[in-house]
Amino acid sequence: QKEVEQDPGPLSVPEGAIVSLNCTYSNSAFQYFMWYRQYSRKGPELLMYTYSSGNKEDGRFTAQVDKSSKYISLFIRDSQPSDSATYLCAMTGFGNEKLTFGTGTRLTIIP
Amino acid sequence: DAGITQSPRHKVTETGTPVTLRCHQTENHRYMYWYRQDPGHGLRLIHYSYGVKDTDKGEVSDGYSVSRSKTEDFLLTLESATSSQTSVYFCAISANERNSPLHFGNGTRLTVT
Repeated sequence: QKEVEQDPGPLSVPEGAIVSLNCTYSNSAFQYFMWYRQYSRKGPELLMYTYSSGNKEDGRFTAQVDKSSKYISLFIRDSQPSDSATYLCAMTGFGNEKLTFGTGTRLTIIP
Repeated sequence: DAGITQSPRHKVTETGTPVTLRCHQTENHRYMYWYRQDPGHGLRLIHYSYGVKDTDKGEVSDGYSVSRSKTEDFLLTLESATSSQTSVYFCAISANERNSPLHFGNGTRLTVT
């Protein structure tokens, strides 16, 4: 079993819909949680960075961490065609230089 | 792209030949990383560096070596390329503190024939 599990999709939703992307993990030492967006033929770019449990909002994006369930989510409101990309979750523990990544969910927003 | 340049962007090489990929950063960040990305496997860490001449292995380091002689440059070498090393290679950097998020370059697409 992988340390971080992420549904690979693909996921297709109509423009304007609310999108929910999720990752589960098994390592209780993980404290820092990230979401990256990766467009085709590009490197991943950081979207959200959170520490421990709770919610963080940035514009149309909300990151949610539930450490008791070992479950993190990324919500995208009012989705746009420009949100079409692969979304990767990543996480690490305190004092650890290395991130553990999910395999990514490919998202398509249909105009 | 957070001041990260990877070269070359594309390369085709033959089995058994040595290959060197270069990552150059202009951010003066301490940590540098090499990942490979493959379908079904996601991003896997090959090697990383926590300072000039300080490097360590990641989870898929066999067949790869690295060098960092200057803060801004991190080289990845495939001593004798194999078809299983066909992949997209990403360089990443992070700031001086541990647990800082990574910032990635745009990758090198390597094909070994």
